Amino acid sequence: SQQGEEDPQALSIQEGENATMNCSYKTSINNLQWYRQNSGRGLVHLILIRSNEREKHSGRLRVTLDTSKKSSSLLITASRAADTASYFCATDTKYAGGTSYGKLTFGQGTILTVHP
Amino acid sequence: NAGVMQNPRHLVRRRGQEARLRCSPMKGHSHVYWYRQLPEEGLKFMVYLQKENIIDESGMPKERFSAEFPKEGPSILRIQQVVRGDSAAYFCASSPPRQVKEQFFGPGTRLTVL
Repeated sequence: SQQGEEDPQALSIQEGENATMNCSYKTSINNLQWYRQNSGRGLVHLILIRSNEREKHSGRLRVTLDTSKKSSSLLITASRAADTASYFCATDTKYAGGTSYGKLTFGQGTILTVHP
Repeated sequence: NAGVMQNPRHLVRRRGQEARLRCSPMKGHSHVYWYRQLPEEGLKFMVYLQKENIIDESGMPKERFSAEFPKEGPSILRIQQVVRGDSAAYFCASSPPRQVKEQFFGPGTRLTVL
């Protein structure tokens, strides 16, 4: 698998249901970020979780991070049709000495479809 | 506070022409990143710049591609002698000069090479 690989590739749910997307990565990281991309549009930053954090909340979003398993999950509760988009995780790799060069490594994304 | 601005939003070039993509970072942001997204794929890092400096260009193709972020003005991604395989969406992101770098993305430039 590649760095920042999301699972599932596509998810289809009904409005009001919860959506869970997973992300796995390979290297040590400084932080992991989740983004949303509506079709043909730019990326919207959702949430950043640092490597020393285990869980973070923002509105209907909940992100967990397990550095021992090199994995993260994004939970969207009470989904809405407007949540329909592609969701990407991106990792900021930690290099020797804890250096971050800032470049993000993205996965292929999860396409979420929320039916009204 | 305006977000990251990119122009043009759409660019059509014929094979062999040059493409110039511009990015103005958010106010107060001194770090600029360029990414490329091929159809149905995630974003791939190309280059990381600070004012007048290229910090990391490990994702840039060795030939035809160059980037700059001058002291004044926007960052420019330049593609010379474009080929059909260069057709993609090119996104610019910026971040403030802090250790933990949240990156904020522009709307992208969709380059089509005929």
